[in-house]
Amino acid sequence: QQPVQSPQAVILREGEDAVINCSSSKALYSVHWYRQKHGEAPVFLMILLKGGEQKGHEKISASFNEKKQQSSLYLTASQLSYSGTYFCVSNFGNEKLTFGTGTRLTIIP
Amino acid sequence: DAGVIQSPRHEVTEMGQEVTLRCKPISGHDYLFWYRQTMMRGLELLIYFNNNVPIDDSGMPEDRFSAKMPNASFSTLKIQPSEPRDSAVYFCASSQDRAWYGYTFGSGTRLTVV
Repeated sequence: QQPVQSPQAVILREGEDAVINCSSSKALYSVHWYRQKHGEAPVFLMILLKGGEQKGHEKISASFNEKKQQSSLYLTASQLSYSGTYFCVSNFGNEKLTFGTGTRLTIIP
Repeated sequence: DAGVIQSPRHEVTEMGQEVTLRCKPISGHDYLFWYRQTMMRGLELLIYFNNNVPIDDSGMPEDRFSAKMPNASFSTLKIQPSEPRDSAVYFCASSQDRAWYGYTFGSGTRLTVV
């Protein structure tokens, strides 16, 4: 039931764009995205509640296709501060969230 | 608000000893979650509470693990007896309502059992 993310890891130069994909084998009620920096706790970025919904947070946005049970996170003009591990987190219709496999993003100057 | 507060930040203990991890959620948050993070298994939900009542403890690995929430501002996760494979970072998180809002995580407790 754990959402699967791709790619597992990506290295970008500052200013480049990236897309992180998340796929679930089970129907999704909503999707959360979190970022975790090394040695720190996960930090909430955004929640997507409706099919096809797209939301934004600074230069980070996401889409959610509930029919395909997929979500994607878009990072544009990446900054050094964007480095970390990104998790998509699925909600299957109850209170608990299941964290995905994670995507490690490294931004280099 | 000070956020979710966990203690201790680091804990080193010998195998067989009892370990107690503590968490103070954000005031007004009705949900409290305990997660465990390891390199091999990622972030796993252990148990969660709603209004101080345990709702789902299916993620608790063994009977050695127990969690309580005696009031809205305090929760504990206890491991007795501890084993080396329990070494991990344990996070507590709280949320206002179901999964409509994001979770706020505490800084975590890094547990090492030797």
